[in-house]
Amino acid sequence: AQSVSQHNHHVILSEAASLELGCNYSYGGTVNLFWYVQYPGQHLQLLLKYFSGDPLVKGIKGFEAEFIKSKFSFNLRKPSVQWSDTAEYFCAVNAQSGGYQKVTFGTGTKLQVIP
Amino acid sequence: EPEVTQTPSHQVTQMGQEVILRCVPISNHLYFYWYRQILGQKVEFLVSFYNNEISEKSEIFDDQFSVERPDGSNFTLKIRSTKLEDSAMYFCASTTPGTGVYEQFFGPGTRLTVL
Repeated sequence: AQSVSQHNHHVILSEAASLELGCNYSYGGTVNLFWYVQYPGQHLQLLLKYFSGDPLVKGIKGFEAEFIKSKFSFNLRKPSVQWSDTAEYFCAVNAQSGGYQKVTFGTGTKLQVIP
Repeated sequence: EPEVTQTPSHQVTQMGQEVILRCVPISNHLYFYWYRQILGQKVEFLVSFYNNEISEKSEIFDDQFSVERPDGSNFTLKIRSTKLEDSAMYFCASTTPGTGVYEQFFGPGTRLTVL
């Protein structure tokens, strides 16, 4: 079974600071990787995804993530955060096996950006 | 851009009552899912549905839960006799084969409050 670990539960940053949120997954096969964002009171939005190819993926709103297969990691980064990035961020994975597999989410990281 | 829709956005019910949560997946999608997020916790998989039958279900999805695609467009989640611990945000998602893309598209969610 797959699992996802997010090590930072609550991160507080000042505006313009750089962000890196850790995500590690556990699964024996090939996976698809996702980062979702949930703004206060809103639903899940996809920030970026990785299926194959270039391990450095760029998403919306200036976010990027790097897939490091040897470390089973998919960390999310943004060079300069804004107050509007205050939200909860979920790393997620599903298996690239036959059929369309469930998505397993991490526990989430609450990001608070202070103006 | 096509999107998954869910109704109602908020449902309040008394413990022991039946509720039906409705979802309209993206029209050409073939795989459907329900997830839930208890307040302050991570998003958890409930069930996946393909070709008019359940593909996979989690241990949360007990006999009180059922899913149906009654008319080729709606996808419903029924909770037969709600419990206080069923209070959560319920997300519907859908995806489709053939594009090589494994992204699940999430709806905005239904907040279920059981009193």
